Amino acid sequence: DFVMTQSPDSLAVSLGETATINCKSSQTLLYNTNKRNYLAWYQQKPGQPPKLLIYWASTRESGVPDRFSGGGSGTDFTLTITSLQAEDVAIYYCQQYYTTPLTFGQGTKVEIK
Amino acid sequence: QVLLVQSGTEVKKPGTSVKVSCEASGFTFTRYSIHWVRQAPGQTLEWMGWIKTANGDTKYSQKFHDRLTITRDTSATTAYMELKSLTSEDTAMYYCARDDVNSYYFDSWGQGTLVTVSS
Repeated sequence: DFVMTQSPDSLAVSLGETATINCKSSQTLLYNTNKRNYLAWYQQKPGQPPKLLIYWASTRESGVPDRFSGGGSGTDFTLTITSLQAEDVAIYYCQQYYTTPLTFGQGTKVEIK
Repeated sequence: QVLLVQSGTEVKKPGTSVKVSCEASGFTFTRYSIHWVRQAPGQTLEWMGWIKTANGDTKYSQKFHDRLTITRDTSATTAYMELKSLTSEDTAMYYCARDDVNSYYFDSWGQGTLVTVSS
């Protein structure tokens, strides 16, 4: 199975500052045929289901604020939240969809400092 | 508006089975696959399996292969997840989710169904 490892497990960021979350896959998520990275990011707030933020590692889902951005390729990826807002407090998960079983990172909790 | 509405909370005894439904609306049901993902308390998300709603083909995580059955009723635009031989380790929130056509990331989720397994 592809193991997804996120870092850090939690971080506290001041309002208006930048939060960076890392996600490392045990195997490449870059499919050579189409040059796409099979990596998605989700945001989950307490008592709610996850919400899709980013897919193909860097494509923002419709309606997601542009302060959320994804980057990286191969095995190493990042989710960046610039100008952090109070409503961004949540747990963030990365997910690989390169192969089954589909697997998720352990999550990164973002709080306000 | 895409909606996935799941059935309500379940409390089950160890050794029994649970069946959770996921009713879809707001999109063409048979164009998308429906996946089931669970989340134990305080834990990460765990993919269980999916069904191709167009033809009923299924794929399960090996972890659940012998206990899990996913079905669908196209006339009711509803998918079902049945998990057998429950133990306390199956206590979790169970979500259905729709994937994007031909790509297995999830752009819509049900609200979740809490399944508690306790004697």
